[in-house]
Amino acid sequence: DQQVKQNSPSLSVQEGRISILNCDYTNSMFDYFLWYKKYPAEGPTFLISISSIKDKNEDGRFTVFLNKSAKHLSLHIVPSQPGDSAVYFCAALNNAGNMLTFGGGTRLMVKP
Amino acid sequence: DADVTQTPRNRITKTGKRIMLECSQTKGHDRMYWYRQDPGLGLRLIYYSFDVKDINKGEISDGYSVSRQAQAKFSLSLESAIPNQTALYFCATSDLLGKTQYFGPGTRLLVL
Repeated sequence: DQQVKQNSPSLSVQEGRISILNCDYTNSMFDYFLWYKKYPAEGPTFLISISSIKDKNEDGRFTVFLNKSAKHLSLHIVPSQPGDSAVYFCAALNNAGNMLTFGGGTRLMVKP
Repeated sequence: DADVTQTPRNRITKTGKRIMLECSQTKGHDRMYWYRQDPGLGLRLIYYSFDVKDINKGEISDGYSVSRQAQAKFSLSLESAIPNQTALYFCATSDLLGKTQYFGPGTRLLVL
């Protein structure tokens, strides 16, 4: 059973608008969450993270929100740009710090 | 030069063959990881190593083995490849805190 789920396999957004990518998790032992971005033929690259003691972390156009009670996090990209088109993976780190669990990914397409 | 390199980038092999995938890093990190990616399932951890003398099984280690030859080198072996090991394989590294992992470009493996 997947402990980290991204229920939307794909998302299409117009350039300049907001992109919202969602992620749900089931394991209460996760205490650190990350978003990775992946282009074709490349490895995932770290984008932004959030500790379980926070509910929001912002870095430029990217903001991650964490709702611990709902076991839900989301990544907001504002404004979206065509270069943001990629697959985005949500990942959760266990509190032992030795294992990342990934969601299945969401393919974001930003149309010019 | 890339911080995390993987060789080969693409490989086609036949059922029953032994194959080795290699990973090298110049980041000076102690921790190294091997993942496989399958469509819709995200990345799943195969093995990880926190230093040269430390090897640990991940979520899906059956059918795989690893060797940590040096701090900078971590190889993954398929002793007798089978078709359901066809996947994209990623190596990653992290520092002692382990919160952010840095990925190589991946090896695409096809087992016929």
